[in-house]
Amino acid sequence: QQQVKQSPQSLIVQKGGISIINCAYENTAFDYFPWYQQFPGKGPALLIAIRPDVSEKKEGRFTISFNKSAKQFSLHIMDSQPGDSATYFCAAKGYQKVTFGTGTKLQVIP
Amino acid sequence: EAQVTQNPRYLITVTGKKLTVTCSQNMNHEYMSWYRQDPGLGLRQIYYSMNVEVTDKGDVPEGYKVSRKEKRNFPLILESPSPNQTSLYFCASSLSGTSVYNEQFFGPGTRLTVL
Repeated sequence: QQQVKQSPQSLIVQKGGISIINCAYENTAFDYFPWYQQFPGKGPALLIAIRPDVSEKKEGRFTISFNKSAKQFSLHIMDSQPGDSATYFCAAKGYQKVTFGTGTKLQVIP
Repeated sequence: EAQVTQNPRYLITVTGKKLTVTCSQNMNHEYMSWYRQDPGLGLRQIYYSMNVEVTDKGDVPEGYKVSRKEKRNFPLILESPSPNQTSLYFCASSLSGTSVYNEQFFGPGTRLTVL
């Protein structure tokens, strides 16, 4: 049973475009929502994270939008670059455990 | 350099042959965890440890064992591997498991194939 649902599974965006990845969760006990970026052959690395008392967080070209009532959150990558091509995982953290989404493979084409 | 190391990075074995994947971190982190990554399923937590001698099951613990005798090490043991355990395994650590806003640092991964 997937407690964090992520879409789309894959995404192709042109350079300079906006990449949008969506996640939805069920467990209202989750209280921290990080996004991880994974390049081929590497482990995931934290990209950006948000707390549920905040509706938006921006770090450079990366923005998380959070809708607590809908139990949804999304990652927006502005001005997408070929170097952003990677797999992105949303996650939700409870007291001791972290649940990940299924991942989105992003390809940014020149 | 602060890091999480895993060994081996690649392993091909046969059904039933016991194996251990080691994980070590040099950041004095309390919380350590093992995940498996499979296509279409994302990362799924196998076991986690809040501190020395404290371990607990994640979402997919069947067929795995762990131990945490030292703070820096968290080995993953497959006592009788089966082909359905063929996967990419990641070890991760964070400063604390109870503090919510903790970044997890991941190792480079171990690709395991069980024939």
